[in-house]
Amino acid sequence: RKEVEQDPGPFNVPEGATVAFNCTYSNSASQSFFWYRQDCRKEPKLLMSVYSSGNEDGRFTAQLNRASQYISLLIRDSKLSDSATYLCVVNIGSSYKLIFGSGTRLLVRP
Amino acid sequence: ETGVTQTPRHLVMGMTNKKSLKCEQHLGHNAMYWYKQSAKKPLELMFVYNFKEQTENNSVPSRFSPECPNSSHLFLHLHTLQPEDSALYLCASSQDYNGVAEAFFGQGTRLTVV
Repeated sequence: RKEVEQDPGPFNVPEGATVAFNCTYSNSASQSFFWYRQDCRKEPKLLMSVYSSGNEDGRFTAQLNRASQYISLLIRDSKLSDSATYLCVVNIGSSYKLIFGSGTRLLVRP
Repeated sequence: ETGVTQTPRHLVMGMTNKKSLKCEQHLGHNAMYWYKQSAKKPLELMFVYNFKEQTENNSVPSRFSPECPNSSHLFLHLHTLQPEDSALYLCASSQDYNGVAEAFFGQGTRLTVV
């Protein structure tokens, strides 16, 4: 089983749609969870950290379910500029060992 | 100016060449990383340095040799690479705050081995 698994997509949605991505992780001892965004041929950039209580940043909401070992990202009112690959990141062991999922590609169409 | 700077941005090298990738972070972080991103594959963690000490070596072939002279600089020395080593090499840095370390990436070096 992969340490971090994501549906590769692509998710093709119209502008204004709500879209959700899930990510599962295998190590129950993981403590840090993040969503990163990566545009084509660019470096990954931190989108948001994921806290146990869930957190929201504008149109983006992240949730953590420790019992089922998955994290989710919800994007409301999708914009064309949201088109990117969304990477789920989990620490394995030390806080510095950050393992990336393969990413979920989102395409927002006009 | 970005917080993490990588040079060169692009590199083409032959299989018998020796080259080095350089990374510098201006964020005051204590940890630095090398990741490899190949086409259609997830980012692969290669090495982690924490306070200049290597804490992770993710079974990386010896033709990749990291060097961390201080907590702001990280190098990846390359020699006798193979064509399948062609990829985007990303450097990142982070700082642990209460057990959480968010990584900030450089723009990467796109390496082609011919």
